[in-house]
Amino acid sequence: GAGVSQSPSNKVTEKGKDVELRCDPISGHTALYWYRQSLGQGLEFLIYFQGNSAPDKSGLPSDRFSAERTGGSVSTLTIQRTQQEDSAVYLCASSLVLAGGGGEQFFGPGTRLTVL
Amino acid sequence: AQSVTQLDSQVPVFEEAPVELRCNYSSSVSVYLFWYVQYPNQGLQLLLKYLSGSTLVKGINGFEAEFNKSQTSFHLRKPSVHISDTAEYFCAVSRLNTGKLIFGQGTTLQVKP
Repeated sequence: GAGVSQSPSNKVTEKGKDVELRCDPISGHTALYWYRQSLGQGLEFLIYFQGNSAPDKSGLPSDRFSAERTGGSVSTLTIQRTQQEDSAVYLCASSLVLAGGGGEQFFGPGTRLTVL
Repeated sequence: AQSVTQLDSQVPVFEEAPVELRCNYSSSVSVYLFWYVQYPNQGLQLLLKYLSGSTLVKGINGFEAEFNKSQTSFHLRKPSVHISDTAEYFCAVSRLNTGKLIFGQGTTLQVKP
């Protein structure tokens, strides 16, 4: 079956512009995660959606970052007024929710964001 | 808060030699432990995970890891590596009842012929 898909695969933008990154999770997966992978910071958790619960936004680096998940499926990560330090690969993952946690997360190929 | 330390940023090894990639974690609560692999130009893929039970966990591609609670370690091992094992390996933890993964900085395994 189809895995996690992300679009666009690459995005180049100018400093100060807003960008939207899209994630389509695996059908039936109720948990969705966003991470960021950069040379300086490694892999960082950003935000986590689980079903109808309030999202865990504890990893968002600033209020310029926001995310939503519509209809329990597709998610959009929005970065406003982009800065050069936002340049990174943004990864989306989805999983089933197991009682007690520990479900395998399936990762998408990522969106490479370059802020000029 | 949880943290993960991968003690080696790069591990060069010859083909068919054994390898160990080290991972230590810090947490005041119980955690689940994971190893993910990222092959060149590919996405992250789960190698293995420890949730409970036997402390020796076997994963895909001949890898295994041992959970040591007293040493807060979860080292990854393979008895004989192949060129195709060249990749970046990430150790991660998550608290029980949450899926949020905290990753280590990664270890690049370079398998030489």
